[in-house]
Amino acid sequence: GAGVSQSPRYKVAKRGQDVALRCDPISGHVSLFWYQQALGQGPEFLTYFQNEAQLDKSGLPSDRFFAERPEGSVSTLKIQRTQQEDSAVYLCASSPSTGASYNSPLHFGNGTRLTVT
Amino acid sequence: GDSVTQMEGPVTLSEEAFLTINCTYTATGYPSLFWYVQYPGEGLQLLLKATKADDKGSNKGFEATYRKETTSFHLEKGSVQVSDSAVYFCALSNTGTASKLTFGTGTRLQVTL
Repeated sequence: GAGVSQSPRYKVAKRGQDVALRCDPISGHVSLFWYQQALGQGPEFLTYFQNEAQLDKSGLPSDRFFAERPEGSVSTLKIQRTQQEDSAVYLCASSPSTGASYNSPLHFGNGTRLTVT
Repeated sequence: GDSVTQMEGPVTLSEEAFLTINCTYTATGYPSLFWYVQYPGEGLQLLLKATKADDKGSNKGFEATYRKETTSFHLEKGSVQVSDSAVYFCALSNTGTASKLTFGTGTRLQVTL
């Protein structure tokens, strides 16, 4: 079946540009997460949606980062005025129930690799 | 806060060797524990999981046992194959409706013939 789909696969932005990254979760999945993975590191939590409600945005590194999931399905992560330190792979994951638990493990997309020059 | 510590890589083994990748955690309450694997060019995939003390998760010949007394969840495989070459991530999720995964930094495994 269809998995979590992310687009674009690669994005190159000049410093100061705005970018928008898209995530199509598995159909019917309640929970959606965004993670940031720097080179050689583990994924770091950014934000969590339960349906259309953003319940946790404690991991967003600055107010330049904004995420939305207006209809409880597709989500967009927007980064304004990109900086070089924003270069990373941005991962989206979804799960069928609330949160990330033993009975509701996360399904990850392949990520969007953002390079800020 | 919650955290996961993994042994640093890369780990290089010959085919059919025994594998151990160490993972320890710090968490409040009773977390669930996971191992995820990232093959070259692919996304993270769940490898195995465990939810309480002494539970053993297993999949594809890999095993890990939830040890509460040592706060560990070490990944083992008796005989690795070249196709096991990947990056392995240990992770935990704590309880609650907004629980999230907290990952370790990952351990790269390279298996040679």
